[in-house]
Amino acid sequence: GENVEQHPSTLSVQEGDSAVIKCTYSDSASNYFPWYKQELGKRPQLIIDIRSNVGEKKDQRIAVTLNKTAKHFSLHITETQPEDSAVYFCAASRNQKVTFGTGTKLQVIP
Amino acid sequence: ETGVTQTPRHLVMGMTNKKSLKCEQHLGHNAMYWYKQSAKKPLELMFVYSLEERVENNSVPSRFSPECPNSSHLFLHLHTLQPEDSALYLCASSSQEGTEAFFGQGTRLTVV
Repeated sequence: GENVEQHPSTLSVQEGDSAVIKCTYSDSASNYFPWYKQELGKRPQLIIDIRSNVGEKKDQRIAVTLNKTAKHFSLHITETQPEDSAVYFCAASRNQKVTFGTGTKLQVIP
Repeated sequence: ETGVTQTPRHLVMGMTNKKSLKCEQHLGHNAMYWYKQSAKKPLELMFVYSLEERVENNSVPSRFSPECPNSSHLFLHLHTLQPEDSALYLCASSSQEGTEAFFGQGTRLTVV
């Protein structure tokens, strides 16, 4: 089955700096890679996603890159703000089976 | 409100009890999921139903029994649970392969 590894498990950055979270996956047939943000006490919510036929996608301060050959993908958050503080999960999906990474707790220090 | 509703929000049960978790979605999705979220494994897939048919059973103990009577409803029947089963149980739904999964708010389960 699919195995998704996510690093780092915790990340602290100063407000305004960039944050990068990296994930690797094992199943080369995975074709959809969403990223979810989970604030404390709340449900995970999609913030950005990328499909296997695309190498990069950007939405305002958030961008995701995908390297299919190396089977890794990354989330980039620029100009971080305190409200970006949350746990972020990457995931790899194939045939409606979504396997999540172990999460990264991001703390943005004002 | 994302359109995925879970009840109850909190549940405390003894190890000999039988209880059920309920999930309901009104988004017209055809796939529904149960996830377990705990400190040890943040988002662990338990079951996947696609078009009301179970397509994934991720080596979950038989004390957890899912039921999907129609595309809008998903249940998780619980019996003779263990304290280590205490966790947040999240339901999600999606419309088709390669699309966003919408999560419910979860049921916080405590087994005593």
